[in-house]
Amino acid sequence: SYVLTQPPSVSVVPGQTAKISCGGNNIESKSVHWYQQKPGQAPVLVVYDDSDRPSGIPERFSGSNSGNTATLTISRVEAGDEADYYCQVWDTTTDYVFGTGTKVSVL
Amino acid sequence: QVQLVQSGAEVKKPGASVKVSCKTSGYSFPSHVISWVRQAPGQGLEWMGWITVSNGNTNYAQKVQGRVTMTTDTSTTTVYMELRSLRYDDTAVYYCARENEEATNFDYWGQGTLVTVSS
Repeated sequence: SYVLTQPPSVSVVPGQTAKISCGGNNIESKSVHWYQQKPGQAPVLVVYDDSDRPSGIPERFSGSNSGNTATLTISRVEAGDEADYYCQVWDTTTDYVFGTGTKVSVL
Repeated sequence: QVQLVQSGAEVKKPGASVKVSCKTSGYSFPSHVISWVRQAPGQGLEWMGWITVSNGNTNYAQKVQGRVTMTTDTSTTTVYMELRSLRYDDTAVYYCARENEEATNFDYWGQGTLVTVSS
C-alpha cells in the first residue's frame, strides 16, 4: 500500500513562512491535495493538484511536488492558520490515501 | 450552494450496527461520487469507501470490507453508510465527502457524525 509521511508538528511565528512536507515514493508522479482541519471542524481543501487553490483560499497557501516530497507552504502565517494539515493522493492500489497529518502551531 | 448535512451523533453497543445519513443539496446529485472518511479521536483521516451515485457502484477499503454498505436514495439526494458488527475501535467521527469531477480529491465535506461504541 502507498504511504504518505508528514512531520507530526511544525511551529511558526506569525508573519513567517511554514512549510509542511509530505513524503511518498515517487510522489511527483501523483497529484497531491492538501486539507486544513481546525478543531471540531471538517477538513477543508486548501490546495489541489499539487499547487492550485480552490476559490476563497488565500494566495498565502501554495504547494509544490517534486521527487519523493510534496510541500505545502503557508506564507505570512496568521493565528487563524493554526490547524492540522493533511496531504492526500489517489493511488491505483489503495484508492484514497491520507498523510499522517501535521499540527501547525502559531507561536 | 453545495451542502452535505449529516445525521446526528450515535451511541451503540459492540456488535450493533449504525447507519449514518448524508443529505446533499446544491448540485446535480448523480454527477459526483461520495466517499466516507472517518477519524478516530486524536487520530488522522481514514478513507472508508466510495459510492458512484449515478449507478450505485461501490468500492470499500479493505479494513471495513464485509462490514460496511453504502447506498443512495435519489428521491431525497441522500447517501447512507451502514457499519455492522461495531467494535470499540470504530469509535470515530464519520464524514461524507463529495469527490470532485475528476474523482481525485474531496471538494465538499459534511459536518461529521460522532459514532461512539460503548458497552
